[in-house]
Amino acid sequence: EAGVAQSPRYKIIEKRQSVAFWCNPISGHATLYWYQQILGQGPKLLIQFQNNGVVDDSQLPKDRFSAERLKGVDSTLKIQPAKLEDSAVYLCASSFQGRNTEAFFGQGTRLTVV
Amino acid sequence: SQQGEEDPQALSIQEGENAIMNCSYKTSINNLQWYRQNSGRGLVHLILIRSNEREKHSGRLRVTLDTSKKSSSLLITASRAADTASYFCATSKSTFGDGTTLTVKP
Repeated sequence: EAGVAQSPRYKIIEKRQSVAFWCNPISGHATLYWYQQILGQGPKLLIQFQNNGVVDDSQLPKDRFSAERLKGVDSTLKIQPAKLEDSAVYLCASSFQGRNTEAFFGQGTRLTVV
Repeated sequence: SQQGEEDPQALSIQEGENAIMNCSYKTSINNLQWYRQNSGRGLVHLILIRSNEREKHSGRLRVTLDTSKKSSSLLITASRAADTASYFCATSKSTFGDGTTLTVKP
């Protein structure tokens, strides 16, 4: 079974530029998550989708971050404009619907803003 | 701050020894999950323990849950160098701690 696919693996941009990350979840997983993981910390949830609807985006900095999940499958996360403090690993995960289910993570995209 | 908090922040042991790490949380839970993250990679799910369970085993892993103390522990027996990683507890898929970094020396 294919895992969660993310691209790109690495990205370096200058501050104030824009960047987009792509995620393809495991087939059949209705729930998709985007996390930000700063070095030395645990993942922080940015947004959770159930199919193509947003369940939780309370920690998404909406002035610069946006995400969409068209057709309830692939998802993109965009940052515009980027700030230095956005340097982090952006992880995508997916799971079956339900509380007592595990999340499957992609390898992440390491973003460096200079 | 994150609800789940792991303790210790870092742990260094010799191969063959047992590693134990703890997780404390603040509110009621349906389940608690432990994940492992190798350097530069995504997280891998290790084990899920439901709120009505007290102990669960998976291979060399043993997880306990004490809902009265709002705490959980992860025990890795007979550790190997390959167990070197960061370990996170999660009280939901939206709430992770900052992890325990385990180093197992060969």
